[in-house]
Amino acid sequence: DQQVKQNSPSLSVQEGRISILNCDYTNSMFDYFLWYKKYPAEGPTFLISISSIKDKNEDGRFTVFLNKSAKHLSLHIVPSQPGDSAVYFCAASAGFNNAGNMLTFGGGTRLMVKP
Amino acid sequence: DADVTQTPRNRITKTGKRIMLECSQTKGHDRMYWYRQDPGLGLRLIYYSFDVKDINKGEISDGYSVSRQAQAKFSLSLESAIPNQTALYFCATSDPQTGDQPQHFGDGTRLSIL
Repeated sequence: DQQVKQNSPSLSVQEGRISILNCDYTNSMFDYFLWYKKYPAEGPTFLISISSIKDKNEDGRFTVFLNKSAKHLSLHIVPSQPGDSAVYFCAASAGFNNAGNMLTFGGGTRLMVKP
Repeated sequence: DADVTQTPRNRITKTGKRIMLECSQTKGHDRMYWYRQDPGLGLRLIYYSFDVKDINKGEISDGYSVSRQAQAKFSLSLESAIPNQTALYFCATSDPQTGDQPQHFGDGTRLSIL
């Protein structure tokens, strides 16, 4: 059973509009969450993260929101640009700052930003 | 040059063959990981290593083995490849001084087993 789920396999938005990517998790021990971005023929690259002690983290056009009671996080991209077209993976970790905390990944959402 | 380098980038082979995927890194990180990616399933952990003498199984280690030859090198072997091991494989590194987050990935090896 997948502990981290991204229920939308794909998302298409117009350039300049907001992109919202969603992620749900089931393990209440997860306390650190990350978003990775992946272009074709490249490895995932880290985008933004959030600790469970926060409910929002912002970095330029990218904002991650965490709702612990709902076990839900979302990534907002505003404004969306064609270069944002990629697959986005949500990942979660339990025991941040403890040795060996592993990442559990969602299945990914393919974002397409149309010019 | 890439910080995490995987070789080969693509490989096609036949069922029953032995295959080795190699990973080298210049980040100086002690911790290294092997993942596989399958459509809709995201990345799943195969093996991880905290240092040269420490190897641990991940979520899906059956059918795989690893070797940590040096701090900078971590290889993944399929002793007798089978078609359901066809996938995209990623190596990653992390720094325990940053809580092992984020992990840094290579560009992957696309493996097809016929």
